[in-house]
Amino acid sequence: NAGVMQNPRHLVRRRGQEARLRCSPMKGHSHVYWYRQLPEEGLKFMVYLQKENIIDESGMPKERFSAEFPKEGPSILRIQQVVRGDSAAYFCASSPQADTDTQYFGPGTRLTVL
Amino acid sequence: AQKITQTQPGMFVQEKEAVTLDCTYDTSDQSYGLFWYKQPSSGEMIFLIYQGSYDEQNATEGRYSLNFQKARKSANLVISASQLGDSAMYFCAMRDTGNQFYFGTGTSLTVIP
Repeated sequence: NAGVMQNPRHLVRRRGQEARLRCSPMKGHSHVYWYRQLPEEGLKFMVYLQKENIIDESGMPKERFSAEFPKEGPSILRIQQVVRGDSAAYFCASSPQADTDTQYFGPGTRLTVL
Repeated sequence: AQKITQTQPGMFVQEKEAVTLDCTYDTSDQSYGLFWYKQPSSGEMIFLIYQGSYDEQNATEGRYSLNFQKARKSANLVISASQLGDSAMYFCAMRDTGNQFYFGTGTSLTVIP
């Protein structure tokens, strides 16, 4: 049973470019969460999605960031016009519909903005 | 507001000894969950142990145990018989009733041979 998958694992972008981060939840999981980890810090919640719905985006910056979890395919975190401050590790987690005891994390995508 | 505090930026422990990593939390929710995750140098987040706010007994998972003191709002992680492979960052986290997670700033554990 494959775990949460994220790709790419490492992403390098120049300032002003777009970054697209993908997350495939564990099989049977319909809840997806995105977190950002800045260097030397803990994870900060960004957004919580279910299939085709954004449930909570209170941690998402108001501009340049968007997330989706379509009916088919992975969840996408999109960062437009990246800036150096966007450099961080972005983690995706998933949980089953009925069990919210824990979230299972993917390996993360490390975004570096040059 | 939800808040997780880990006051130990770095800890050292001798191999085969036990170590306690501190975590306190602040919430007004009646129902919540407490978690510990391990993040080795490779970067992935590994789930270690979970404690529900209504669980009366402390959670245990192998060499990991969670010392849950509800009145003090603390959820310390105890690692027994430390191994070299335990060297990593450890994050305490809380899930609130809205299913949102909040993480502490982490404790870096180094196991000394």
